[in-house]
Amino acid sequence: DTGVSQNPRHKITKRGQNVTFRCDPISEHNRLYWYRQTLGQGPEFLTYFQNEAQLEKSRLLSDRFSAERPKGSFSTLEIQRTEQGDSAMYLCASSRRTGYRRETQYFGPGTRLLVL
Amino acid sequence: GIQVEQSPPDLILQEGANSTLRCNFSDSVNNLQWFHQNPWGQLINLFYIPSGTKQNGRLSATTVATERYSLLYISSSQTTDSGVYFCAVLPNTGNQFYFGTGTSLTVIP
Repeated sequence: DTGVSQNPRHKITKRGQNVTFRCDPISEHNRLYWYRQTLGQGPEFLTYFQNEAQLEKSRLLSDRFSAERPKGSFSTLEIQRTEQGDSAMYLCASSRRTGYRRETQYFGPGTRLLVL
Repeated sequence: GIQVEQSPPDLILQEGANSTLRCNFSDSVNNLQWFHQNPWGQLINLFYIPSGTKQNGRLSATTVATERYSLLYISSSQTTDSGVYFCAVLPNTGNQFYFGTGTSLTVIP
């Protein structure tokens, strides 16, 4: 168990550019979540996958954001035409349910995005 | 969506002191977790505790689901306990976890 990994750890980009982040979950976990966290706030849910299916998306996820999880393994989060308001920490978490709605989320180290 | 409020928002403790952090939520939940976010931003899971009481070393947690609150107790605090503590809840429907507003803890030597 090597934990949840995220790449890159830091990304600086210019407004209008596209960026893509990657998350590798714990290998036996079939559930994967993306969150966004801004300074002084708690993480906010963006989207959730069960295996390769994207089952829920937050209203925060505008059409500039897209997430995929091909083959139910790693996941990518792409932001197109970045805006300064996208600057935040993007967190990935994975889990596996062991009972009815019983799961523990394990978080990666996050990708810190700065849009200039 | 469900509202999750934590108190106090900030806490400064002398090393060795005890503290209690509170998480209130506005609707019934199936799942509640406590996390510690260290100064580097890493979120570490402390407890999965939708109800009842659990203890792990100097930390313990209690959730009273019927009254919609959870408490995290830290005893004999150490400087390494510094950081932000979050509770996260999963309402009875949907798969979206909601995080609280956090308690920022600073333990001074």
